[in-house]
This record gives sequence, structure tokens and C-alpha cells, in this order.
Amino acid sequence: KQEVTQIPAALSVPEGENLVLNCSFTDSAIYNLQWFRQDPGKGLTSLLLIQSSQREQTSGRLNASLDKSSGRSTLYIAASQPGDSATYLCAVQSRGFGNEKLTFGTGTRLTIIP
Amino acid sequence: EAQVTQNPRYLITVTGKKLTVTCSQNMNHEYMSWYRQDPGLGLRQIYYSMNVEVTDKGDVPEGYKVSRKEKRNFPLILESPSPNQTSLYFCASSLLSPGGSSYEQYFGPGTRLTVT
Repeated sequence: KQEVTQIPAALSVPEGENLVLNCSFTDSAIYNLQWFRQDPGKGLTSLLLIQSSQREQTSGRLNASLDKSSGRSTLYIAASQPGDSATYLCAVQSRGFGNEKLTFGTGTRLTIIP
Repeated sequence: EAQVTQNPRYLITVTGKKLTVTCSQNMNHEYMSWYRQDPGLGLRQIYYSMNVEVTDKGDVPEGYKVSRKEKRNFPLILESPSPNQTSLYFCASSLLSPGGSSYEQYFGPGTRLTVT
């Protein structure tokens, strides 16, 4: 059974700093890994999707890496801004028989201090 | 605009009163799914559907029903809601590749359900 862990549960950093969020998973037989952002009381917004054959994906100030063999992914945020404050979730889509479900971590709540 | 919509967004009900949460997507996605989100437990899958008339249980299906009569709609039905079904519910959809893996999943805005 796939398990996804995100540590730390909460993180506060001053504005302008670069930061890294971590995600680990137990079963390396995955299709892809997806990073989401969730604002309080809102839905999930997809940030980056990394296919199992890829090592990283970039979008603007965000860079996500994937090391399937070690079961790890990182989300790098450059030059953080107060608007980056949100909960960040990673989710792994595992190979299975008929169910292409996502297994989610419990998230890292990020606060950028102005 | 490509989107997943859910209704209602907020619902307070009493134990045992049947309710339906609707989900609709306008992206012609084959795959649709329901999740619930609870503090400390993250998002857990309730039911999913690979296409019309094809549905199956996720990790926490007890107390829920679904149907997929049309490609765009995937309603979640609580026949007899109980307080332990108080949660934040999300519907999601995505395309499916011929090999079975899916693409990026799109989420609805969520439905906050309170059962008293």
C-alpha cells in the first residue's frame, strides 16, 4: 500500500528566501507525482506534474524534482512571496489494476513572513 | 473555461436525511473521483469512475454511493448520513491514457458537509 509523507507539517520563512518542501513515498511503482497548492477553504490547484520517466519539472519560480528509486520528491520555491502562503500537497499516482487513484500526503502549511 | 463544479458548496444536514452532492466537468474527462479531506488524515479516495457506467470503491467507500450515467456528471450520494461523514469533499477529473495512467487531475472547489 502506497504511503506518502510530507515533513515538516508547517514551515515559516521570511519573504525573499528560497525554500524546499519535501515529499516521500514508499512504493516506487508510480505513474506520476503531482504537487498541489491549497488555499484555506478552497480547492486544490495543480502546480506541477512529473511523469515517472522524468527527473524534474519547472514552472516559473517553482521546480519539482523526482527521485523514484529513493522515493522522494522536492518542491523548490525561489524568491518566496507572501502570496505563496498556502498548504502544499504532494500526491502519487500508483500503478495498479484499474484504479488510477492519487495517494496524498497530509501537506506542508507554508507561511511567508513579509 | 475548463472546470470541475460541485454543488452545494456548503451543506448542514441531520443524521439520516439522504443527500446528493453533484459534480460536473466540462473537459470530456474519462476519469472522475471523489475524495474526502479530514484534518490529520489528508485526502482519501471514496469512489472513482473510469468511464460511463464504470465505478468502483476507493479507500473509504462505506456510507456512500455514486453513479456515472453521463460522462460529465458524477454525483455522490449519502443515503443515511452520519456525523462521522462530516468532512470536506472534493470531486476530481482527468483524462486517461490508453496505457491506463492518467494525466493531471483537476479538482472542484470542495463541498463542506456538516452532519449533526
